[in-house]
This record gives sequence, structure tokens and C-alpha cells, in this order.
Amino acid sequence: EIVLTQSPATLSLSPGERATLSCRASQSVSSYLAWYQQKPGQAPRLLIYDASNRATGIPARFSGSGSGTDFTLTISSLEPEDFAVYYCQQRSNWPHTFGQGTKLEIK
Amino acid sequence: QVQLQESGPGLVKPSQTLSLTCTVSGGSITSGSYYWSWIRQPAGKGLEWVGRIYSSGSTNYNPSLKSRVTISVDTSKNQFSLNLSSVTAADTAVYYCARAEGGSYLVYWGQGTLVTVSS
Repeated sequence: EIVLTQSPATLSLSPGERATLSCRASQSVSSYLAWYQQKPGQAPRLLIYDASNRATGIPARFSGSGSGTDFTLTISSLEPEDFAVYYCQQRSNWPHTFGQGTKLEIK
Repeated sequence: QVQLQESGPGLVKPSQTLSLTCTVSGGSITSGSYYWSWIRQPAGKGLEWVGRIYSSGSTNYNPSLKSRVTISVDTSKNQFSLNLSSVTAADTAVYYCARAEGGSYLVYWGQGTLVTVSS
């Protein structure tokens, strides 16, 4: 099973700042990585797929990069609604696995 | 717009079978090339993919649960279902149904349903 490790566990930033979230895989997943956003009491929402492609309706301030084992989700300028928990997910091998999450909180 | 809705008991006794159904609206469960999936999330914790069933009927189960999980489709009702046997408190979680596409990314999700395992 591929283990995804996200860092940091918690990121404290202010609106308008840039956020950089990391996801590292225990073995190569090529570009088969997605990012999700989850707000309290809600289902996750797909943001990025195949490492760098924005899902339908996702604002341009969200971007993804990386391949192999190291991936990054960047939010260029934080909006109040961006404070949430973010998960990465790989689809390279079954079972598809998720990282443990990064909580993005308001500083 | 595709919508998914979970239903089933919110409380299951230990050693019994957890049974949930996901009703799909806004599209046929047999059309397209999609994985109809179950994901779970214990309170305050991360996400775990329980299993999935392809449009053709083939299934994949998480090896950590494989011997206890069954996912099936009822095309006449446009539903798919999850059965998880011999449950313990560790199976207490919010269970989501979802549609995976584009190679297995979860685009459409249900709202989730909390299942508690307790006597």
C-alpha cells in the first residue's frame, strides 16, 4: 500500500497570504495524484487531479505541481473560504490511498 | 447534475452487518465509465477508500477490509450498496458514497452518513 505523508499537519496563515502544502508518496505514483478540500460537516471536494489539472469550477488561485513522489498544492492568495482541511490521494495503485490531511487555519 | 444520497441504519451492533445504500439521481448508474465507490472517515480522522464497483460490475475492495466487504449494484433502482460484516467499534465512521471518474478521482459525493457501532 502506498503511504502518502502530508506536511505540515497544520498551517496557520492570514487571508491574502500564499499557502504551500506538501504531499510525499512512499513510492512513485507518476502524476496520478489529486487534492481535495474538506470543510467541517461536508464531503470533500476535488480541487486538482493528475497532479496539476484543476477540476471543473475550481478557482485559478489553486494550483498543483509535482510528479513521482513529491507534490505541492499552492493557493496563491488565501480567501476566507479556503480555510479547511486538504487531502492528497493517489490512484496509481489499489488501494487508492489518502494522506492524513493538512489543516489550513486562520492566523 | 449527478447527485448521490446515502441511506441506512445509523446504529449497528458489534458483530452484525453494516448495510448502506447509495441512490444515484441525475444519471444512470450503468452509463459511462465510472467507479461507484464507498469512502469512510472516522470522526476527526482521515479518509479511507472502502471499495468500488465499476460500471461493468467488477469490484475492488480495500485489502484491509476485503474479507468483510461486499459492494453491489441494483440497476433497476439506480442504487449501489455496501455490506460490511462482523463490525466492531473501529468501523464507526461517516460513510460516503461517491462517483469516481477520470481514472479514479472522486468528483461527485453524497453528503455522508454516520454509522455508529455500539451495543
